[in-house]
Amino acid sequence: AQSVSQHNHHVILSEAASLELGCNYSYGGTVNLFWYVQYPGQHLQLLLKYFSGDPLVKGIKGFEAEFIKSKFSFNLRKPSVQWSDTAEYFCAVKRSSGSARQLTFGSGTQLTVLP
Amino acid sequence: NAGVTQTPKFQVLKTGQSMTLQCAQDMNHNSMYWYRQDPGMGLRLIYYSASEGTTDKGEVPNGYNVSRLNKREFSLRLESAAPSQTSVYFCASSRTYREINVDTQYFGPGTRLTVL
Repeated sequence: AQSVSQHNHHVILSEAASLELGCNYSYGGTVNLFWYVQYPGQHLQLLLKYFSGDPLVKGIKGFEAEFIKSKFSFNLRKPSVQWSDTAEYFCAVKRSSGSARQLTFGSGTQLTVLP
Repeated sequence: NAGVTQTPKFQVLKTGQSMTLQCAQDMNHNSMYWYRQDPGMGLRLIYYSASEGTTDKGEVPNGYNVSRLNKREFSLRLESAAPSQTSVYFCASSRTYREINVDTQYFGPGTRLTVL
């Protein structure tokens, strides 16, 4: 079974600091990769996704992620965080082959940005 | 476009009571999902429905049943609630293409359930 690891459970940054959240997965085949964000009291929203092509993916609100196939990683980055980026961030992976439609989520990383 | 809607938003049950969580989507999506979210565990799939008329178990199906009423609606039922089912429940939907099994899931606002 595939698994998704987010090693940072809680990250605390000051405004304008740079952000990198790690995401590693275990499945060796072709995958689709996602980052979702959950702002306090709200539902999950898609931040960005990778299906194929350029491994550097740009999402909303200045976020980007890089797919490194050899490292089974899909780390999320932002050059300069804002207080409004305080939220929980989930990495998710889905096999792109076969009939599997299930999305496997990581355990999430809580980001707190201090003003 | 309301997207994915869920009712109720909050619910408190006593152990042994039953209830049904409702989910509807207006995006004409084929597939629908039910997840539970627990602290430190991310989202875990309870059941999913790849298309109207089909349902399949996910990672944590015990204690739950589902019904895909039609293409729009997918309900989750707790027959005899237990404290371990205290959680936030999210419904999601996605569009699945026939040749390309690539889809993005869109989530509802969630139902916060407490079982005493």
